Amino acid sequence: SQQGEEDPQALSIQEGENATMNCSYKTSINNLQWYRQNSGRGLVHLILIRSNEREKHSGRLRVTLDTSKKSSSLLITASRAADTASYFCATADTNAGKSTFGDGTTLTVKP
Amino acid sequence: DAGVTQSPTHLIKTRGQHVTLRCSPISGHKSVSWYQQVLGQGPQFIFQYYEKEERGRGNFPDRFSARQFPNYSSELNVNALLLGDSALYLCASSLEGDLGPYEQYFGPGTRLTVT
Repeated sequence: SQQGEEDPQALSIQEGENATMNCSYKTSINNLQWYRQNSGRGLVHLILIRSNEREKHSGRLRVTLDTSKKSSSLLITASRAADTASYFCATADTNAGKSTFGDGTTLTVKP
Repeated sequence: DAGVTQSPTHLIKTRGQHVTLRCSPISGHKSVSWYQQVLGQGPQFIFQYYEKEERGRGNFPDRFSARQFPNYSSELNVNALLLGDSALYLCASSLEGDLGPYEQYFGPGTRLTVT
């Protein structure tokens, strides 16, 4: 069964707006990663946050992690049409090579 | 540097046949993981190999097997194919298999269709 659950399942916004996606998980983790996938192609690694970190930034991306609530959020600021994709969170209790994925959030950014 | 490569890109097989999928990790990466992604769902972990040894196995039947070669490339084999094996098979590599955490990088995948 999938550990991570993304919320919402689908999100539609206008270009320039911010997009926030949430991920909840069930067991203790070592790290959590966010990925983007375009139209059933390979996953692109966005950001990794360790269990002892609370927030991380990368360009227009901001990820938070709350281990007490077993949840993470991905914020994409000033969204662009090119951000249209599915976004997945993946958790690992040991190394990232054994990650457990949720079913993703499908983001549509309208130009 | 080249990313993770996978071959073939697409594959069509008949029920009962077997299939071999191949993966070459990023240069210097010693860990290779395999995932199955059914349409509309997230990837599911199948295997992880590190330094040619299996380091983890997901909830998949024994029809699924894999191995890693001395150059760290890997093969995923699936025997007695079922219609339900139709999926995108993703390979990912990372620097280490135990120490970490290290980021995991995915290849473009192999789309397997079983008819």
